Amino acid sequence: ETGVTQSPTHLIKTRGQQVTLRCSSQSGHNTVSWYQQALGQGPQFIFQYYREEENGRGNFPPRFSGLQFPNYSSELNVNALELDDSALYLCASSAGGSWGYTFGSGTRLTVV
Amino acid sequence: QQQVKQSPQSLIVQKGGISIINCAYENTAFDYFPWYQQFPGKGPALLIAIRPDVSEKKEGRFTISFNKSAKQFSLHIMDSQPGDSATYFCAATIFQGAQKLVFGQGTRLTINP
Repeated sequence: ETGVTQSPTHLIKTRGQQVTLRCSSQSGHNTVSWYQQALGQGPQFIFQYYREEENGRGNFPPRFSGLQFPNYSSELNVNALELDDSALYLCASSAGGSWGYTFGSGTRLTVV
Repeated sequence: QQQVKQSPQSLIVQKGGISIINCAYENTAFDYFPWYQQFPGKGPALLIAIRPDVSEKKEGRFTISFNKSAKQFSLHIMDSQPGDSATYFCAATIFQGAQKLVFGQGTRLTINP
């Protein structure tokens, strides 16, 4: 049984660019959530996908968007990157109805 | 108020000692309280969790104490070991269309050998 895998592990982008981060959920998990963890802070909820639909969102602007695919993998897209978007982006998967999240190791995004 | 306040920010404990991390919350809609452990370069990993109708839960060297009336909960690590050195996050779950985790700010724990 594999856990949650995220790619890439590190990424450097220029302000104003767009970025796509990818996540493969743990086997048997159909719900994917994304979190942003700034340096020295706790993770902040971005949004959650269940059955390919966004079913909840945190305080993040619309330039943060996502997708979930039929195999439950997911993408996080961020448009018009800002310096403050520099953070560790974490994907967490769970079985629908369960709060037992499994986190991936994250993608470290640096915006310069 | 969707915040979970965590203290201290950093903690140094001698090997074999007891590490104690405290958290407080305001929102009574929170319905589950997990603790996560995070090592550098890794995502958070679930350590132990408690429901608000339980006052204490113990798993090995890790114990959660929960005070519903005070809206406070704490993690105790007994016989702390150097391998316990990590960042610890308390969290609370709330359902708002989706089940969200609200994290505290984290405590960097260092266990000196």
